[in-house]
Amino acid sequence: EVQLLESGGGLVQPGGSLRLSCAASGFTFYNYAMHWFRQAPGKGLEWVSVISSNDYSTYYGDSVKGRFTISRDDSKNMVFLQMNSLRAEDTAVYYCAKGSSEYTSSAGDHWGQGSLVTVSS
Amino acid sequence: EIVLTQSPGTLSLSPGERATLSCRASQSVDTNYLAWYQQRPGQSPRLLFYAASRRATGIPDRFSGSGSGTDLTLTINRLEPEDFAVYYCQYYGSSPFTFGPGTKVDIK
Repeated sequence: EVQLLESGGGLVQPGGSLRLSCAASGFTFYNYAMHWFRQAPGKGLEWVSVISSNDYSTYYGDSVKGRFTISRDDSKNMVFLQMNSLRAEDTAVYYCAKGSSEYTSSAGDHWGQGSLVTVSS
Repeated sequence: EIVLTQSPGTLSLSPGERATLSCRASQSVDTNYLAWYQQRPGQSPRLLFYAASRRATGIPDRFSGSGSGTDLTLTINRLEPEDFAVYYCQYYGSSPFTFGPGTKVDIK
């Protein structure tokens, strides 16, 4: 059974940083791309970032480009999202999701339970 | 960037009825990169379809996906109580991987 467990969320001041982690199990982690998505309170889904397997290609949504960095550690079956220069509009539940293939152009076929990030003074 | 619009915003139906949800893209898309997700209240999203019409694991066959070009459709036959949720389409063929605003299917 695929399991994804996010951690690292919490309250942070505007301009601050936070690092989200996602621990994966139940599948051959290094064979799949991994995504981060988010959902602001009462709003729809937003794709944040993706990292491929093999060549570790990365892409970012326009609203986070230059501030967020996705990475993965295949030896630990984990994916990370380093979030810098946080803004109030980054407040959301952040979901980690397994890609449906090794490529960045993949759907999120299994999702974690989410981690709440609140940016506020 | 591909912009996705979904209609209607809300669909009020009774259990047992058929739901037809629309997703329209701002330009013709490769439907090999079109997904549908379901999000029940208080839950994480769940993949229903990838490549527009390929059912994800465990998705009942009362759900079907279709379409081409700019017009995609999600159909739910014989609505069950657990089907009342919000449904999103997503294009993942090129970054940014945009979502539509969602269609809420609620109980009439």
